[in-house]
Amino acid sequence: SQQGEEDPQALSIQEGENATMNCSYKTSINNLQWYRQNSGRGLVHLILIRSNEREKHSGRLRVTLDTSKKSSSLLITASRAADTASYFCATPQTGGGSNYKLTFGKGTLLTVNP
Amino acid sequence: EPEVTQTPSHQVTQMGQEVILRCVPISNHLYFYWYRQILGQKVEFLVSFYNNEISEKSEIFDDQFSVERPDGSNFTLKIRSTKLEDSAMYFCASSGDTRKEFFGPGTRLTVL
Repeated sequence: SQQGEEDPQALSIQEGENATMNCSYKTSINNLQWYRQNSGRGLVHLILIRSNEREKHSGRLRVTLDTSKKSSSLLITASRAADTASYFCATPQTGGGSNYKLTFGKGTLLTVNP
Repeated sequence: EPEVTQTPSHQVTQMGQEVILRCVPISNHLYFYWYRQILGQKVEFLVSFYNNEISEKSEIFDDQFSVERPDGSNFTLKIRSTKLEDSAMYFCASSGDTRKEFFGPGTRLTVL
């Protein structure tokens, strides 16, 4: 089964508009993380939301988490051309103890047109 | 702000050659990871490392792969005999007690 699947796969908006990306997952989690990746570059951690949190803000980012629906959303308000990137949700999978890894979705490619 | 660094940024090699990808994790972190991303695909977990041993590895991480923390700062990924399908972006990550992972900028490996 796929863990951490984002939709839409691609989103194109005008500068100043808001962008909303969604992520669904299948297994229980203790947190969910969102990352950004500019084309061909590294992963930048944006925000981590814990399973006991419903909403979290960081600057122009707002993340929600609905554990009953196993879904999360990332909202970027007042988008800028520099927000153009791929956005991934990632969920930790743990086998207990030191076993821990992130499972990434395929990502949403956001294009913000100036 | 501390960051994870990786070298080289781009490595080109011939099929069958050995490559070593290097990472310097954040200094007080205890957990280290390698992930890879084949062009246009998901970021995939390869291996995690804690207390000088592998904690977990994926099915991708076969006998051709090995990791090492040779000193107190470096964390390396070795591919013994590269294949064409090893061409990918390789990301190192590290985390502390919070388990929030900080990723390096990646090494782009091209196998010809």
